[in-house]
Amino acid sequence: EIVLTQSPGTLSLSPGERATLSCRASQSVDNNYLAWYQQKPGQAPRLLIYGASSRATDIPDRFSGSGSGTDFTLSISRLEPEDFAQYYCQQYGSSPWTFGPGTKVDIK
Amino acid sequence: EVQLVESGGGLVQPGGSLRLSCVASGFTFSNYEMNWVRQAPGKGLEWVSYIYDSGHTVYYGDSVKGRFTISRDNAKNSLYLQMNSLRAEDTALYYCARGGSYFRYWGRGTLVTVSS
Repeated sequence: EIVLTQSPGTLSLSPGERATLSCRASQSVDNNYLAWYQQKPGQAPRLLIYGASSRATDIPDRFSGSGSGTDFTLSISRLEPEDFAQYYCQQYGSSPWTFGPGTKVDIK
Repeated sequence: EVQLVESGGGLVQPGGSLRLSCVASGFTFSNYEMNWVRQAPGKGLEWVSYIYDSGHTVYYGDSVKGRFTISRDNAKNSLYLQMNSLRAEDTALYYCARGGSYFRYWGRGTLVTVSS
């Protein structure tokens, strides 16, 4: 099973700042099959990025994904008030599909 | 509009059983692979089970293998999760999610609480 580690656990930033979230895999993720999700309290997760760098439908271009192999990054270029939330990475390159523990982006 | 609506959650004693349902609308259900994903209170996400569009192929996470059974009825646009031998650690919000690998659409979830 591929174990995903996300860092930092919490990221405290101000609106307008850039956020950089890391997701590291215990072994290489096949075909860079890595996704990112955003989750707000009381809501279901929302798909942001798949295939490490492809934005899902209707996701603003301030969200971008990068990386390959074992190291992946989600970047938010300029934080909007609605971006303060929990973020999870997920690998689907090999079964069982696994999620990281999450990074919380909160307001500084 | 794609909609996934889960139901069937509730309070059950350890060792008991529960059957979750998910009704899909807004897309051709029989064309899509489906999953159950769960989230324990205040915790992260855990993939539980997968089923192919025809229902002929299923997969399970190690924590539920041998206790949970996923199934679907394409005529009723419905996905199911039969949960047996429930444990306290199965307490979670159970989401129905569409996708064969990553999950583009999610329901709002149904809460399962395992407690005596």
